[in-house]
Amino acid sequence: DGGITQSPKYLFRKEGQNVTLSCEQNLNHDAMYWYRQDPGQGLRLIYYSQIVNDFQKGDIAEGYSVSREKKESFPLTVTSAQKNPTAFYLCASASEGIRQQPQHFGDGTRLSIL
Amino acid sequence: KQEVTQIPAALSVPEGENLVLNCSFTDSAIYNLQWFRQDPGKGLTSLLLIQSSQREQTSGRLNASLDKSSGRSTLYIAASQPGDSATYLCAVGGGGGSNYKLTFGKGTLLTVNP
Repeated sequence: DGGITQSPKYLFRKEGQNVTLSCEQNLNHDAMYWYRQDPGQGLRLIYYSQIVNDFQKGDIAEGYSVSREKKESFPLTVTSAQKNPTAFYLCASASEGIRQQPQHFGDGTRLSIL
Repeated sequence: KQEVTQIPAALSVPEGENLVLNCSFTDSAIYNLQWFRQDPGKGLTSLLLIQSSQREQTSGRLNASLDKSSGRSTLYIAASQPGDSATYLCAVGGGGGSNYKLTFGKGTLLTVNP
């Protein structure tokens, strides 16, 4: 079955530590996205990539970094500069198109501070 | 800046009832509108996607309408079942200068009681 796989499901970060969230898709989608979800809030866009080796900042990119070396993979690193990283992180992908929009989501990674 | 509002924030109904969830957005220059379902601790599942040129979309017991000029969409659920209990999210593509992304509402938490 095609889909998006996020790992790990739960992740704990220590002070001053960088952690990386994995996102892999086998849908052959060009575009991939990272969102952050906090309780009682809508999803907020962190970074997005419309093609391999290219990515752009979303609304809340500070303290995060990404790479897009392969079409299938879009890992997100939460750096020590992100002072409030506790949240539910969702990865999404969209098919090729001018007005491509996220339609497929992974099951998320819940990040907490130790 | 595009803003999306969902009313009500929470809704509890008895099984079998027909119900309507509401979504409004501030900039009508959108490409499309999507309704998603989110189960606790899970990612989003796309329910219906309405392009800006369309008025409604139907899938089984679900019907979504779009009135772009007034900035409104409704999701109608017929003959609700306990399995429909989840958070329903509305997201608009484009508008407010955000032509590359979805803007999400905060969601409506639906509980269908047996």
